[in-house]
Amino acid sequence: SQQGEEDPQALSIQEGENATMNCSYKTSINNLQWYRQNSGRGLVHLILIRSNEREKHSGRLRVTLDTSKKSSSLLITASRAADTASYFCATDPDTGRRALTFGSGTRLQVQP
Amino acid sequence: DAGVTQSPTHLIKTRGQHVTLRCSPISGHKSVSWYQQVLGQGPQFIFQYYEKEERGRGNFPDRFSARQFPNYSSELNVNALLLGDSALYLCASSSMPGQPQHFGDGTRLSIL
Repeated sequence: SQQGEEDPQALSIQEGENATMNCSYKTSINNLQWYRQNSGRGLVHLILIRSNEREKHSGRLRVTLDTSKKSSSLLITASRAADTASYFCATDPDTGRRALTFGSGTRLQVQP
Repeated sequence: DAGVTQSPTHLIKTRGQHVTLRCSPISGHKSVSWYQQVLGQGPQFIFQYYEKEERGRGNFPDRFSARQFPNYSSELNVNALLLGDSALYLCASSSMPGQPQHFGDGTRLSIL
C-alpha cells in the first residue's frame, strides 16, 4: 500500500515559474526523501530531510517537513523544461524495517 | 563508478512461466531493495536485503522470492506469472538501510 499521497497528481507550469508539490504520510518516520523519475527511467534521489529537521535546501530545491501534520512539501524554484518528470516522496518509517514507502507521485510538466 | 545495473532491460513472458531478474549494486553498497512499479503509480516495496540477509518483505505473495549473493548482487524470482505481474521492476542499492537509495533503470516485464 502507498503510505504517502502527493498533491497535486499533475502540475503544468511555464519555465521560470515555481513548482510546489505536497506529500502527506501516515506513520512516524526516521526521514522523508524526495525522488525524481524521468519517463521510463529509474528514480533519482533529490533530498533527504530527517524527522528532527524542518527545512532543507539543495540548489533550486527547498523541502519542508511538518511532523505534527505528517506532511512535507517540495518547492522547485525557477523551473526549467528539464525539470519535467514525476516526483515522489518516500518515507523511511520509524520501525524495524527500514524500507522506503513511496507515494503515488506528482507529474510535473514545465512548458518552455 | 558504475551505477546500479539491472538485467535484462525488457522481458516478455506468458502466464504461468517463471522469471529471474538480476541486479548489481553500486560498488561498496551492501543493501539492495526491490520494487514493483505499475504504470502511473509509485514503486511498491517487495524485498530488502542487507549483508546477504532478508531485512524486510512487502505485501507480495510467496510466488515472489529473492536472494543476495556474497558479492552483494541480487536476484528477484517470480513464479507462476500472472497478467498482473506486468510492471517495471526496480532495484535500488544503498550503503545501509535508511540511507538514500540509488536506482537502476529497471526491467520492464510484460506478461502475455
